Parts: sequence; C-alpha cells; structure tokens
Amino acid sequence: DAGVIQSPRHEVTEMGQEVTLRCKPISGHNSLFWYRQTMMRGLELLIYFNNNVPIDDSGMPEDRFSAKMPNASFSTLKIQPSEPRDSAVYFCASRTTGDTNEKLFFGSGTQLSVL
Amino acid sequence: DQQVKQNSPSLSVQEGRISILNCDYTNSMFDYFLWYKKYPAEGPTFLISISSIKDKNEDGRFTVFLNKSAKHLSLHIVPSQPGDSAVYFCAASSYTGGFKTIFGAGTRLFVKA
Repeated sequence: DAGVIQSPRHEVTEMGQEVTLRCKPISGHNSLFWYRQTMMRGLELLIYFNNNVPIDDSGMPEDRFSAKMPNASFSTLKIQPSEPRDSAVYFCASRTTGDTNEKLFFGSGTQLSVL
Repeated sequence: DQQVKQNSPSLSVQEGRISILNCDYTNSMFDYFLWYKKYPAEGPTFLISISSIKDKNEDGRFTVFLNKSAKHLSLHIVPSQPGDSAVYFCAASSYTGGFKTIFGAGTRLFVKA
C-alpha cells in the first residue's frame, strides 16, 4: 500500500498567486481530512469529507480557501489568492469511517511558502 | 476555541527515564483519544489510542491514561529512548459530527543520551 500521497512536497509562490495542493487517500478509505500545521496553532483541521461529501468546513480560514473531492481517490485544496500568512505545512489524512481505532493515516505534507 | 490543549511546548528527559506528556480537553462528547508522533519532514503517525470508556491502555513502552472527570489524558513512555525524540500530538474524536478529529498544538520531546 502506497499510503496517502500528497503533491507537491514543496511549493513556493508569490503573494496573489493561486495554489493547488493535491491528495490521494489510501484506497478503500472513505474519510479524508485536510490539516494545516503552524507553530502557533499546531495541527489545525481545515475541512473533512465522508464518502466524498464535505461534512465540516468550519476550519477553513477564509473564502480564499476551497476544497473538493470529486471522487474517492482524489482531493484538492486550493488557495486563491495566496497570502504570506498562508505559509505552513498542509497535511492530508484518510481513514475508514467506523474503524474502531479511529486512527488517521497522514501524507508527508506540502510545505507551502508564500513570498 | 481550542478543544484539545497541550500546554507544554517542549519536554526534555534523560534516556532511560520516564517521559510524561499531558493533554487536556474541553468537550465531554469525545469518544476516542489518540496520540500521534511526528518526525521532521514526515506526516504524523499513530502511536496509541484509548476509548472514552477506559482509563488505561498499554502498548509496550507506551501507556495512555484517561481521567474523564478531570478531562485529562497523559502519555507515559518508559523507558525513554533517544529515538523517541519527536513532536507528540494529542487528538480527540467523536462519533457525533461525523468522526471529526481535533488535534492539540503538540509537545516536542527531547530524549538526551
């Protein structure tokens, strides 16, 4: 099993540009989460999906952020326009809803730098 | 509104001694509590969990204790090893609200040889 795959690993962009982060969850997992890690707030939940449907997007900081899950094997997180304060590591995670252990499997993250 | 809090940003422990990492939560509806370990440039990985109906779970050198009345849990690592040096995240999830999982800010553990 390849695990959760995120791309790109690193993204450097200029303020005002559009950024798209990608995630391929583990095959068979039906829940997908987007988190952002910062020094101040730790791992902050942005949005999560169950069976490709967004369940809770209350963590999305602003309308500049949007996320989609067009099918069970792909999700995107888009920031448009990007700002320097968006610089952080963005993680995608997946799991099987109903797993008694409730554990998440994380990708390696995307390090985003907005200049 | 931080529902899961880890108030110690860092902890330093001598190799062979016990490491105790603490976590507090505010929502009594959480059903599961989990600890994740994170090395630099990697995603967090699951370490150990505990159901809200239990007060202790042990796995090798790692033990998690849950005190529901105090809304507090702790992770004990005995004996600590230099390879345990990492950031440890406490997390909580709830069956209601679609299995939402909330993380704390993390505690960086340094185990000195």
